[in-house]
Amino acid sequence: GAVVSQHPSRVICKSGTSVKIECRSLDFQATTMFWYRQFPKQSLMLMATSNEGSKATYEQGVEKDKFLINHASLTLSTLTVTSAHPEDSSFYICSARRGQGNTGELFFGEGSRLTVL
Amino acid sequence: KQEVTQIPAALSVPEGENLVLNCSFTDSAIYNLQWFRQDPGKGLTSLLLIQSSQREQTSGRLNASLDKSSGRSTLYIAASQPGDSATYLCAVEEYGNKLVFGAGTILRVKS
Repeated sequence: GAVVSQHPSRVICKSGTSVKIECRSLDFQATTMFWYRQFPKQSLMLMATSNEGSKATYEQGVEKDKFLINHASLTLSTLTVTSAHPEDSSFYICSARRGQGNTGELFFGEGSRLTVL
Repeated sequence: KQEVTQIPAALSVPEGENLVLNCSFTDSAIYNLQWFRQDPGKGLTSLLLIQSSQREQTSGRLNASLDKSSGRSTLYIAASQPGDSATYLCAVEEYGNKLVFGAGTILRVKS
């Protein structure tokens, strides 16, 4: 079946550094990928929609300059948390849609846990 | 603004019991509704997807219903097993690709 891979699964960094998280669709092409954030005991919140070859669409309240998203190919989207601070510590999950439009099935990565010291 | 609510927030049942998880949403203009399972520290596994034109979907011991007009969905789990212990998330997909999640129901099935 289709698989979405996230890397790294865990990362610990010092405050002020930047962290890059990769999301890959392993056996299908994904024109659209999504990035979610999940704080402890809370639900997933959509951060941004990433479209291959164009700028990401950010949800209200998400700083585009802090959370840089690059969807350079049909199988890879990256999320870079720039100048990370402890409040950015969270579980980040990506999803990729197989196919076009709203009809393609969504597949989720295993998530990346970011801890900022 | 779409809001998704899941009740109960947590549920503990003995093995073998049938159970129902509830999900409600405020805006009925949805494309579909999905139920997911999330194990601790893990990503999501899609369980069932119900298109807006459908009333229910079944997979094994799971059955999900959708009443779009009243903004409600239920996930029925038959003959629960300890391996069913996880967090169950309900999400509605709005037009424009956006998934809005509920806070989840933490299920514990005791052996």
